[in-house]
Amino acid sequence: NSKVIQTPRYLVKGQGQKAKMRCIPEKGHPVVFWYQQNKNNEFKFLINFQNQEVLQQIDMTEKRFSAECPSNSPCSLEIQSSEAGDSALYLCASSLSGGSYEQYFGPGTRLTVL
Amino acid sequence: GDSVTQMQGQVTLSEDDFLFINCTYSTTWYPTLFWYVQYPGEGPQLLLKVTTANNKGISRGFEATYDKRTTSFHLQKASVQESDSAVYYCVLGDSGYNKLTFGKGTVLLVSP
Repeated sequence: NSKVIQTPRYLVKGQGQKAKMRCIPEKGHPVVFWYQQNKNNEFKFLINFQNQEVLQQIDMTEKRFSAECPSNSPCSLEIQSSEAGDSALYLCASSLSGGSYEQYFGPGTRLTVL
Repeated sequence: GDSVTQMQGQVTLSEDDFLFINCTYSTTWYPTLFWYVQYPGEGPQLLLKVTTANNKGISRGFEATYDKRTTSFHLQKASVQESDSAVYYCVLGDSGYNKLTFGKGTVLLVSP
């Protein structure tokens, strides 16, 4: 069973509000990923880190979304100004390395933007 | 770019039936392929993994074989149980930064 911890499990925000969620990766996993799963079960990759460095991110993340993985602190994903279309399950995953290593997912943070 | 196709949106079976979920993929890389399973209220969990080196993965009675010629990675199980009811995702790993590309998922419903 995965040991990725995500908080909070549920988050409700009004449009325009900030939404912040956190992730503690599995111990010993230096690579962290954020994905968005919408109500149609479609997954979208947002960003990934190796230790504190961003490896890859999509355009959406570069605009309203910000993320970081500081040393000795949980990783975080923040939406600066929430929109209704951001309502989704945000999943954090971690892995040993890039390449072909499998990813282990947390339970997710379900964001609802009213 | 990379893509994964799962045509079956839902599969409904009875216990002890044979399961077959179709998956095809497209990539310019040497693929690493996964099947993940997601239960309600949980994140996806790894079911099995296959690389070009080993071609076949087996786990918990499920098996999947990678076929380079047809670019397919179908999931099979000889005898399903009610506890197997979940959403199954065929997933392609990016050999660069290991970003995963998910299929649309197949909902498996198994009745007792």
